[in-house]
Amino acid sequence: EVQLVQSGAEVMKPGESLTISCQASGYSFPSYWISWVRQMPGKGLEWMGRIDPGDSYTDYSPSFQGHVTISADKSIRTAFLHWSSLEASDTATYYCARREDMDVWGKGTTVTVSS
Amino acid sequence: EIVLTQSPGTLSLSPGERATLSCRASQSVSSYLAWYQQNPGQPPRLVIYGASSRATGIPDRFSGSGSGTDFTLTISRLEPEDFAVYYCQQYDISPRTFGQGTKVEIK
Repeated sequence: EVQLVQSGAEVMKPGESLTISCQASGYSFPSYWISWVRQMPGKGLEWMGRIDPGDSYTDYSPSFQGHVTISADKSIRTAFLHWSSLEASDTATYYCARREDMDVWGKGTTVTVSS
Repeated sequence: EIVLTQSPGTLSLSPGERATLSCRASQSVSSYLAWYQQNPGQPPRLVIYGASSRATGIPDRFSGSGSGTDFTLTISRLEPEDFAVYYCQQYDISPRTFGQGTKVEIK
């Protein structure tokens, strides 16, 4: 079964750093892009960026460029989303999804940033 | 950046009725358009890709049409589990973008 398993919920303070993960199973990890999608409470879906796990090429939305870093480690079939300095406005659920047309989604990681 | 505009914002219908959802792109995305269904507290689920191909496990009451800038998702006869929020998304040009969503609610 093709699955994306995301790391658990996080409660953080502004200014802290954070990395969340998305581990793939059931398919060839290097073969398909992984995208990250943000959903703020009660709001719609926002595409943040994507990574080609085969060569770690990344492509960011201008709205998120410079604020987050997307990476991947083929050896452990895992993609990552990293913040070096969180803000309260980063409070949201973050999803990873496979492929350009996002055929498989993780269950989401809820990140709460509050002082 | 390509802007996707979905209409209507909310569709109030009864089970068994037909639902027609629209997604308009600010420039052509060819057929690189997908539709997703999302229920509260759940991740989105792919419904349609390539503008008109049903994803695995999606019943045939769902159909997609269009190309270029105008797209439609049709649900021929609404079942109780179809009441949800639907998003369109283009994957032709970066940055990929989503529409703002259409909520299909029970009348």
